[in-house]
Amino acid sequence: GAGVSQSPSNKVTEKGKDVELRCDPISGHTALYWYRQSLGQGLEFLIYFQGNSAPDKSGLPSDRFSAERTGGSVSTLTIQRTQQEDSAVYLCASSLAWQGAFENEQYFGPGTRLTVT
Amino acid sequence: AQSVTQLGSHVSVSEGALVLLRCNYSSSVPPYLFWYVQYPNQGLQLLLKYTTGATLVKGINGFEAEFKKSETSFHLTKPSAHMSDAAEYFCAVSSGAQKLVFGQGTRLTINP
Repeated sequence: GAGVSQSPSNKVTEKGKDVELRCDPISGHTALYWYRQSLGQGLEFLIYFQGNSAPDKSGLPSDRFSAERTGGSVSTLTIQRTQQEDSAVYLCASSLAWQGAFENEQYFGPGTRLTVT
Repeated sequence: AQSVTQLGSHVSVSEGALVLLRCNYSSSVPPYLFWYVQYPNQGLQLLLKYTTGATLVKGINGFEAEFKKSETSFHLTKPSAHMSDAAEYFCAVSSGAQKLVFGQGTRLTINP
């Protein structure tokens, strides 16, 4: 597609339920990132996938959060047993492979707004 | 560890006036620096970036920023504000680790 797409655009769920958020990166982009944007915490890095390398999970806030990337393309972010503090906008971004000193631009999707009631 | 501080969560200027959004960073390695803009209910769009080379970087929509290592700053400017510039602006820093570390954002309001 022309850009990064995310689905759903909005998700309302009850506390304790599991949710899955989907990201379709730009075709050909080997790097994929998840960020979270919330009122209290601003924009936070969650996880990063690069090709076939092990993902960088250093930003995941708890073991309730996990992500996978199938076939080097689509990614799913899963939040188990959702809590109210998980309410935020979840942003996905993709970029070309890192090329030494020149970091490639990250292209962001429109985000998924998650509300936990 | 890297961090970014944006001075002023809200900035208001008149249409046609100078826009100045301040960003200071902390990094133990040579940084890559970015400014992103976010319009309501949209994702982030890159305005400009500094990687290496010329310290004055020009971006889209008439914005530019200057990397000043001695001041650890990367302030964003635009000579003449337009109503369409109203948005939230984020400064970010990265190293070779790929992930972006963002500032808290500055909401820019343009007064007619």
